[in-house]
Amino acid sequence: QQQVKQSPQSLIVQKGGISIINCAYENTAFDYFPWYQQFPGKGPALLIAIRPDVSEKKEGRFTISFNKSAKQFSLHIMDSQPGDSATYFCAASKGSSYKLIFGSGTRLLVRP
Amino acid sequence: KAGVTQTPRYLIKTRGQQVTLSCSPISGHRSVSWYQQTPGQGLQFLFEYFSETQRNKGNFPGRFSGRQFSNSRSEMNVSTLELGDSALYLCASSFGGGGTEAFFGQGTRLTVV
Repeated sequence: QQQVKQSPQSLIVQKGGISIINCAYENTAFDYFPWYQQFPGKGPALLIAIRPDVSEKKEGRFTISFNKSAKQFSLHIMDSQPGDSATYFCAASKGSSYKLIFGSGTRLLVRP
Repeated sequence: KAGVTQTPRYLIKTRGQQVTLSCSPISGHRSVSWYQQTPGQGLQFLFEYFSETQRNKGNFPGRFSGRQFSNSRSEMNVSTLELGDSALYLCASSFGGGGTEAFFGQGTRLTVV
């Protein structure tokens, strides 16, 4: 019940295309859902985050869509660029403690 | 504003030894969390400290311990190192804990030989 399932494991997209990464969770107590981007040799960097009372949040080319009833949320990267090539992690946490439960990661490759 | 600083960046230790990793959070942040990242298990939560108190702990053996000082700096200790402890250890800091943005350091790459 603590798991966050992420798919796909890897994704190849052409430059200018839309990258879509999906996550699903079981624990309805989760109330904070961030997405992180990680480049090789670096720590994860926060991209965008959402709470269950919002169905969509957009920041630049990055959009989170949240479906509370289905217990799913997804990251959309519009106009994908080669510089977006990285590993993306979804995560979830609950309450006041910062215990992030991470998905298994998606390795994105954007071809020029 | 300086980011999260982890030292050292790289470590090589021998089985059975112990190791201490350090994390300096962003100024003003009071919550520090530690994570272990491996290719097989992904990112796993170790523990979180808030105002010098451990607030949450993951499913790791007692060989993994930590502490937080009054200036919010945190240390993580692993005793009796095993080969399987080889990993990237990441520290994240946030202002108030749950539901606020967490910022990660670059990590300490620990190799146990």
